[in-house]
Amino acid sequence: DAGVTQSPTHLIKTRGQQVTLRCSPISGHKSVSWYQQVLGQGPQFIFQYYEKEERGRGNFPDRFSARQFPNYSSELNVNALLLGDSALYLCASSLTEGGSTYEQYFGPGTRLTVT
Amino acid sequence: AQSVTQPDIHITVSEGASLELRCNYSYGATPYLFWYVQSPGQGLQLLLKYFSGDTLVQGIKGFEAEFKRSQSSFNLRKPSVHWSDAAEYFCAVGPSKGGGNKLTFGTGTQLKVEL
Repeated sequence: DAGVTQSPTHLIKTRGQQVTLRCSPISGHKSVSWYQQVLGQGPQFIFQYYEKEERGRGNFPDRFSARQFPNYSSELNVNALLLGDSALYLCASSLTEGGSTYEQYFGPGTRLTVT
Repeated sequence: AQSVTQPDIHITVSEGASLELRCNYSYGATPYLFWYVQSPGQGLQLLLKYFSGDTLVQGIKGFEAEFKRSQSSFNLRKPSVHWSDAAEYFCAVGPSKGGGNKLTFGTGTQLKVEL
């Protein structure tokens, strides 16, 4: 079975630009979460979506937005990029949003560099 | 608010030696606890998880962890380290009731294995 896939693998953008990152969860998984991992730190929670509804949002500005599609894939959008947005963006999928099926599986990430 | 502390930023062990990585958490109730491993340029791989029940949990690659409620700890152990275990290790806590799937990660422990 294919794991969580993310595209693109790497991305270089200029300050002020907008970026869209994509994620496809494991087949059958209905929940997708996004995390930002700045170099030298642990991942920070950005969003969680379940059945196309936002279920949680981390402490990130409104420049960050996301959505989930009927096939459970997801996009993360970041507007007005800042240098500080340079990071590895990780997508994680899980079967549901709670209970014993809680465990999340992570994709390889998208490395975003803002210059 | 939930939080995770990994007091050791870097740890170096000799191949074949035993390993213990420390993790302390702050959470109002019994949380869900996880250990993930991240190799350079890779996403996160789930090593093991604790939801409830037996406080000693076994994971993949010969790792185990013990949940100690009185100490708010969930330390990761391995009796004999292999050179391929060199990576960064993250402890994470998630809500056991409500709160969606948000994981809060520690800052990670970088493991170096000397041959």
